[in-house]
Amino acid sequence: NAGVMQNPRHLVRRRGQEARLRCSPMKGHSHVYWYRQLPEEGLKFMVYLQKENIIDESGMPKERFSAEFPKEGPSILRIQQVVRGDSAAYFCASSEGATNEKLFFGSGTQLSVL
Amino acid sequence: AQKVTQAQTEISVVEKEDVTLDCVYETRDTTYYLFWYKQPPSGELVFLIRRNSFDEQNEISGRYSWNFQKSTSSFNFTITASQVVDSAVYFCALSGNAGKSTFGDGTTLTVKP
Repeated sequence: NAGVMQNPRHLVRRRGQEARLRCSPMKGHSHVYWYRQLPEEGLKFMVYLQKENIIDESGMPKERFSAEFPKEGPSILRIQQVVRGDSAAYFCASSEGATNEKLFFGSGTQLSVL
Repeated sequence: AQKVTQAQTEISVVEKEDVTLDCVYETRDTTYYLFWYKQPPSGELVFLIRRNSFDEQNEISGRYSWNFQKSTSSFNFTITASQVVDSAVYFCALSGNAGKSTFGDGTTLTVKP
């Protein structure tokens, strides 16, 4: 039973380009969470999605960031016109239940903006 | 709003020493869950334990033990007889009515041989 799969593992972008980060949750999980981890910092919540719905996007910047979790396919975190400050590790997690369930994390995508 | 504070940024111990990682939380929810996760150098976070707010019984799992005290809003984690493989970043997290988990900033534990 495959775990949470994130790709790519490393992503390098130049300022102004778009970054697309993908996350396939564990089989049977319909709840996906995205977190950002800056160097020497903890995990900051960005967005919580359920199939085809955004449940909570309170941690996501209003501009340039968007997320989706379509009926078919992986969840996508999209960052448009990246800036150096977007450089971070982005982790995806999934859970089986709606709330308060333990999270299963992917290995993360390390985004570097040149 | 929820908040998790891990006051210890870094801890360094020598193998076989016991070590306690502190976690203090804030929430207005009456029902909530507390978690500990381990992030080894490979990067992927691994779940260690979940506790609900109505269960204050301490738990022991091998060399790991957890002390939940609602009166002081703390959920501390103790590793007994630490080993080099315990070196990692440890995160405490809180989940309430909103569903999402709020994480502390983590404690980096280094166990030296």
